[in-house]
Amino acid sequence: GDSVTQMEGPVTLSEEAFLTINCTYTATGYPSLFWYVQYPGEGLQLLLKATKADDKGSNKGFEATYRKETTSFHLEKGSVQVSDSAVYFCALKWHGTDKLIFGTGTRLQVFP
Amino acid sequence: DVKVTQSSRYLVKRTGEKVFLECVQDMDHENMFWYRQDPGLGLRLIYFSYDVKMKEKGDIPEGYSVSREKKERFSLILESASTNQTSMYLCASSYGAGYNSPLHFGNGTRLTVT
Repeated sequence: GDSVTQMEGPVTLSEEAFLTINCTYTATGYPSLFWYVQYPGEGLQLLLKATKADDKGSNKGFEATYRKETTSFHLEKGSVQVSDSAVYFCALKWHGTDKLIFGTGTRLQVFP
Repeated sequence: DVKVTQSSRYLVKRTGEKVFLECVQDMDHENMFWYRQDPGLGLRLIYFSYDVKMKEKGDIPEGYSVSREKKERFSLILESASTNQTSMYLCASSYGAGYNSPLHFGNGTRLTVT
């Protein structure tokens, strides 16, 4: 069945470091892809999305590009801040449904 | 701003109790979802509803049921709570599948079954 695989955390970085969190998916066809973020004590909120191959989603300095040839949607940020410390979830869904299939989440810890 | 409100932040129940988790959204969304979040497993879909009185099983419905009598409210019911249902439960809503809308999540209910 369809699935999403994320790199295991925690990812520990110093402030202003470059961030990459890997995400790959297994699916027949081309689903929409998402990154959600969960700050401590809160629910998930949408960070960015891409609905077709080669699309780039971006928000708050984060970016991810939908790569169909490698079935990947890696999250990147050029310079992380302490306030970016959170759990990041990669997810996919098919057009015509709002059901999301999530990865296991990657915890990011940024230290000053 | 969309608001999804879960009635309890923390809940402690005993094995065998009947447990109700309540969720209310204020944006007239058609779809509502219940997920559980466990370390190393991510979020797994328990049940979802795309209309009042309509429900569909997700990936892990065993031991759970749901109720949606009004559009804004979606309840998750544990008929007889067990220790393996100790988890974080997240409710979410979305406008509707035809609109490719994002999911909006509540802050979660951390349930402990002893």
